[in-house]
Amino acid sequence: EDQVTQSPEALRLQEGESSSLNCSYTVSGLRGLFWYRQDPGKGPEFLFTLYSAGEEKEKERLKATLTKKESFLHITAPKPEDSATYLCAVQAYSSASKIIFGSGTRLSIRP
Amino acid sequence: GAVVSQHPSRVICKSGTSVKIECRSLDFQATTMFWYRQFPKQSLMLMATSNEGSKATYEQGVEKDKFLINHASLTLSTLTVTSAHPEDSSFYICSARDVGLAAAWGGNEQFFGPGTRLTVL
Repeated sequence: EDQVTQSPEALRLQEGESSSLNCSYTVSGLRGLFWYRQDPGKGPEFLFTLYSAGEEKEKERLKATLTKKESFLHITAPKPEDSATYLCAVQAYSSASKIIFGSGTRLSIRP
Repeated sequence: GAVVSQHPSRVICKSGTSVKIECRSLDFQATTMFWYRQFPKQSLMLMATSNEGSKATYEQGVEKDKFLINHASLTLSTLTVTSAHPEDSSFYICSARDVGLAAAWGGNEQFFGPGTRLTVL
């Protein structure tokens, strides 16, 4: 069964304190791994797609990496506006267009 | 690009009434749209996959007669919650895949709408 597990569940950082969020996955043939940001009361905002192990993508203070078993979302020198829930999702070749979401990491950045 | 809208953003209704939620892709075409629901502090749960011009595919445990989905065009899908009850109160979010991206380089990202907060009294 395809599965996505995110850790930690919640993370509180001081402004400027870099850290990483983890997404472990089990899928029968990875077609793509996605990272989204979700603010309270809003829909998820697309951040990155990763397709193969070794791939990396960056956007401002965020960098996503992928191995055969997990993905990391590295956040460098975060600011309070980076506070949000970060969701990881995977798509398997066998699942047509469906994606499976992890439970998310609630990130809070203190000024 | 890749903007998805939902209407209404909030709706409050009485128990037993039906509520329709619209999902539109504003700047791209989407043969496939998805409907999710999300409870407080939980992740997104896929309810159904909406296919343009054909019947929707529902996930296990989702009542198709209660959650009616219509995908009449390449830019519009609607979700109707029939005979709503308080337990249907939730945050409903739609997403869409960009047909152009998928054809060009196999992009499989889903782009999400802002969500609709449904409260059934």
